[in-house]
Amino acid sequence: SQKIEQNSEALNIQEGKTATLTCNYTNYSPAYLQWYRQDPGRGPVFLLLIRENEKEKRKERLKVTFDTTLKQSLFHITASQPADSATYLCALDPYGGATNKLIFGTGTLLAVQP
Amino acid sequence: DGGITQSPKYLFRKEGQNVTLSCEQNLNHDAMYWYRQDPGQGLRLIYYSQIVNDFQKGDIAEGYSVSREKKESFPLTVTSAQKNPTAFYLCASIEGRGLGTEAFFGQGTRLTVV
Repeated sequence: SQKIEQNSEALNIQEGKTATLTCNYTNYSPAYLQWYRQDPGRGPVFLLLIRENEKEKRKERLKVTFDTTLKQSLFHITASQPADSATYLCALDPYGGATNKLIFGTGTLLAVQP
Repeated sequence: DGGITQSPKYLFRKEGQNVTLSCEQNLNHDAMYWYRQDPGQGLRLIYYSQIVNDFQKGDIAEGYSVSREKKESFPLTVTSAQKNPTAFYLCASIEGRGLGTEAFFGQGTRLTVV
């Protein structure tokens, strides 16, 4: 069973709003957490990485937070556009980055309405 | 251009047949991975390899086999023991030398049992 949980419901938002996606994990102490974007029928593409000693990371309209106490990462897309519509996946190494084993969450489908 | 190439893009298998999915990378990456994705689901780890001639089982290795005889290549065989092989298969690689290095994915192979 999946040990990394993401919003199972699709997230529908209006263009221009901020989308917030959640990634929760249990029983791990990851040294980092990654976020990927996946379009239908294609492989995921890396977006951002945040390390355990970082609270927040930004890249253009994207922002990621990492709360190791809550065991949660939040992924924000500000000023969302229809082109942001895709599935977003979080990923981590359950052994704290020591093994290169990379496991993924269930993914959240984001739909941005014009 | 450097990248990961998966072939074929579409594959049809008859009941009881073994089939092999190809994954080749020219990124000089140490670690390679195979994931399975079912409709509306996240990625589940089948096998991964951190170095040549070594590989580890992921969360759903039963019914699959791999080899890593060359750094560039990590083929996946779906055996007749895999009872529900119809899925989208993704190969990935990471440099393996840094903590949390991003994963690069191929375009996937869609396997269908007929």
